[in-house]
Amino acid sequence: NAGVTQTPKFRILKIGQSMTLQCTQDMNHNYMYWYRQDPGMGLKLIYYSVGAGITDKGEVPNGYNVSRSTTEDFPLRLELAAPSQTSVYFCASTRGQGGPNEQFFGPGTRLTVL
Amino acid sequence: KQEVTQIPAALSVPEGENLVLNCSFTDSAIYNLQWFRQDPGKGLTSLLLIQSSQREQTSGRLNASLDKSSGRSTLYIAASQPGDSATYLCAVRQLGKLTFGQGTILTVHP
Repeated sequence: NAGVTQTPKFRILKIGQSMTLQCTQDMNHNYMYWYRQDPGMGLKLIYYSVGAGITDKGEVPNGYNVSRSTTEDFPLRLELAAPSQTSVYFCASTRGQGGPNEQFFGPGTRLTVL
Repeated sequence: KQEVTQIPAALSVPEGENLVLNCSFTDSAIYNLQWFRQDPGKGLTSLLLIQSSQREQTSGRLNASLDKSSGRSTLYIAASQPGDSATYLCAVRQLGKLTFGQGTILTVHP
């Protein structure tokens, strides 16, 4: 299993540009998540999904959109990029909501908006 | 709203020392607590997961405890090594979401 994969690894955007961060998992997990991590900080939840066709907002959703058309894929869309969106973005997945279910993380996408 | 706090923010110890990292959370209605390791510029690696019904978990030199009623968890690292240097994050799980602390930066010097 490749686990959780993310592309691209690095990206530089100009203010106002748009892009999609890709996330794929091959573990047949129902739950998928997008987090952002700012320097010296913990992770903050942007959006999450409990299954194909179902998404919900996390703590910091403004400026982002998501879709979940398949179990495997959970892309994150940035519209009209702003410098405040400079961050490292992590995608994660887990099988279920209950106690023994670990979250598995991708390697991250480092995004700079200039 | 769940808040997770980790103390200390940074810790520097000589090789071979035993050490304790602390994590506290404000809402005890959690499914589980997970400890992660993050190396500079890298993703998160899961170290230990403690379910809400458990008191502790062990993996090698690592031991994590959970006192859900008081909202506390500790990560104990025995016989620390320079390779243990990293940022350690704790996170609590509620309703499918994880809430993270800000992490403890650990440096183990030879």
